[in-house]
Amino acid sequence: AQTVTQSQPEMSVQEAETVTLSCTYDTSESNYYLFWYKQPPSRQMILVIRQEAYKQQNATENRFSVNFQKAAKSFSLKISDSQLGDTAMYFCAFMKLNNNDMRFGAGTRLTVKP
Amino acid sequence: NAGVTQTPKFQVLKTGQSMTLQCAQDMNHNSMYWYRQDPGMGLRLIYYSASEGTTDKGEVPNGYNVSRLNKREFSLRLESAAPSQTSVYFCASSGWGTGWTGELFFGEGSRLTVL
Repeated sequence: AQTVTQSQPEMSVQEAETVTLSCTYDTSESNYYLFWYKQPPSRQMILVIRQEAYKQQNATENRFSVNFQKAAKSFSLKISDSQLGDTAMYFCAFMKLNNNDMRFGAGTRLTVKP
Repeated sequence: NAGVTQTPKFQVLKTGQSMTLQCAQDMNHNSMYWYRQDPGMGLRLIYYSASEGTTDKGEVPNGYNVSRLNKREFSLRLESAAPSQTSVYFCASSGWGTGWTGELFFGEGSRLTVL
C-alpha cells in the first residue's frame, strides 16, 4: 500500500517570504500522480498543483512550484512571495495511474504572518 | 456552478442512531468518493465508486455503507453510529473531461458528531 508522509505538522512564514513544505511517499509503482491540495479555514479542498511521475520537469503554477525527486520519493511544495491568503492546511497526495484510490498525508498547517 | 454538493453540513447523532449523508455532483464525472478527515490523520478513503453501478471499499470502510444511486449521486450511510465515527466527511468526484488528470473535486464537508 502506498503511504504519504508529511513530517511538518505546522509551519509559519512571514508575508512575502518563501516557504517549502515537505512530503515523502512510499510506492513500488513507476507511474503515478502527486498532488498538493490546500484546505483553508472554510474547509473547501482546492487543488494547488499536480505532477505526473513520468515527467522530469517540475510543475509550476504561478507562485507555487514543486521539487520532485523520483528516486528519493520526495515531493516538496515551494510557495514564493507568501500571501496572507495562503494560510491553510496543505495536504500532499498520491494516486496510481488510472486508479481511484488517492492517499493523503496528515497535512501541514501553514500560517502566513503579516 | 455548484460542483459537488453535500448535505447535511452539520449533524449530531446519538450512539446507535442511523443517518445518510447525501452527495451530488453536476460535472458529469464517472467516479465519486467518500473520505473522512480526522485531526492529524489527513483524509482517509471510506468507499469509492469508479462508475455508476459499482462501489469499492477504501482504507476505512467498516461501519459504513454506500449507494451509487445514479451518475450524479453517491450516498454514505451509517447504520449504527459510534463515537469513533465523529469526523468531518468529504465527498469528491473525478472524471475525464478533456483528459484524465486525477484531480478530485471536493464538497464543502459534513461535520458529524456522535455522542
